[in-house]
Amino acid sequence: SYVVTQPPSVSVAPGQTARITCGGNNIGSKSVHWYQKKSGQAPVLVVYDDSDRPSGIPERFSGSNSGNTATLTIRRVEVGDEADYYCQVWDTLFGGGTKLSVL
Amino acid sequence: EVQLVESGGGLVQPGGSLRLSCVASGFTFNSFEMNWVRQAPGKGLEWVSHISSSGNTILYADSVKGRFTISRDNAKNSLYLQMNSLRAEDTAVYYCAREGGNTFYFDYWGPGTLVTVSS
Repeated sequence: SYVVTQPPSVSVAPGQTARITCGGNNIGSKSVHWYQKKSGQAPVLVVYDDSDRPSGIPERFSGSNSGNTATLTIRRVEVGDEADYYCQVWDTLFGGGTKLSVL
Repeated sequence: EVQLVESGGGLVQPGGSLRLSCVASGFTFNSFEMNWVRQAPGKGLEWVSHISSSGNTILYADSVKGRFTISRDNAKNSLYLQMNSLRAEDTAVYYCAREGGNTFYFDYWGPGTLVTVSS
């Protein structure tokens, strides 16, 4: 079965750029979506189809996908961006999630 | 405004059954495919089941296949999940989620309903 790998955690200072990766064999050939999940709240779609942004999501959030790695990039990180981020690949599969800490 | 509201969660003993409901509003329900996704305490997101807009195509995760049944009533703008033979590992917050497009992403989610399987 297809396996995707996310780093358990990423730390960044406010105002800096956070990059969260999602690795998988030839993942660049698949559509990748990203969700933000805060404790006690429903997930929020922040990027779909590798790099598209739903309405209402700040331009600070962007995505890319090539080769064996998809990346969610959050520029000018804010304290409010602190959350778990999940990639979703190949119809149904979620990555294990990455905890973004804003120090 | 798109809204999804789940109900039906609660405490159930192992081996028991529970039926979750999700009422949709703010969009043409019968035009969208729908899903259930869950998150166990301290764990990540896990896709559970998918149903097409007409109800003709249904998919399940291996972990629930044969025990859970997804259905929908387009006249009532409602999505359901019948859960039988529940196990402790089914304990989770269950979310209903709308599919936004052809690549299986979920653009709207309900707030979730907690299912606890314990004796």
